[in-house]
Amino acid sequence: GAGVSQSPRYKVAKRGQDVALRCDPISGHVSLFWYQQALGQGPEFLTYFQNEAQLDKSGLPSDRFFAERPEGSVSTLKIQRTQQEDSAVYLCASSLANQGARTEAFFGQGTRLTVV
Amino acid sequence: GNSVTQMEGPVTLSEEAFLTINCTYTATGYPSLFWYVQYPGEGLQLLLKATKADDKGSNKGFEATYRKETTSFHLEKGSVQVSDSAVYFCAPITGNQFYFGTGTSLTVIP
Repeated sequence: GAGVSQSPRYKVAKRGQDVALRCDPISGHVSLFWYQQALGQGPEFLTYFQNEAQLDKSGLPSDRFFAERPEGSVSTLKIQRTQQEDSAVYLCASSLANQGARTEAFFGQGTRLTVV
Repeated sequence: GNSVTQMEGPVTLSEEAFLTINCTYTATGYPSLFWYVQYPGEGLQLLLKATKADDKGSNKGFEATYRKETTSFHLEKGSVQVSDSAVYFCAPITGNQFYFGTGTSLTVIP
């Protein structure tokens, strides 16, 4: 597709359930980011991939959060044993170059996760 | 550490009014500076950017100048339109991370 695609758009999970959020970046984009956006706040960095390598995971809030990008294209963010504080919009973004070049990042529409 | 302080909203303006949204940042190293916009029901979109001191980014009538001495990147538009109603985010990037402000909600009324 033309842009970054995320699925599902909405996810309701019961507390303690595991969830998997998918991101399809723009074809050929080297860099991929995950961000978490709480209601009324700006996006907060979670993790960064350059191709299949996860170069920065400093923003992952706990070991319940795990991200992968095994073939350097599609990425999955997994949250285990979801808690209510995990409720947020999860944004994926990709950019053409590695971030040393600091090029524009293109964002998907996000997955809104609600933990009940 | 790295952080962004952005003018709090919400901001309500009449059509054709002048807009300023203030943004100041602290960053290690030499960041590139971005403004992103989020229209209702849509994802974040790049509005403009500047990559070095004194650069001016501009797009759709919006402008922002990279002021290294004051670590600021204020967003301005001379005459806003109803279609500019959105949430605006200031976002420096250093290393591998964009650092987003909390966002400023703008509503333009006819």
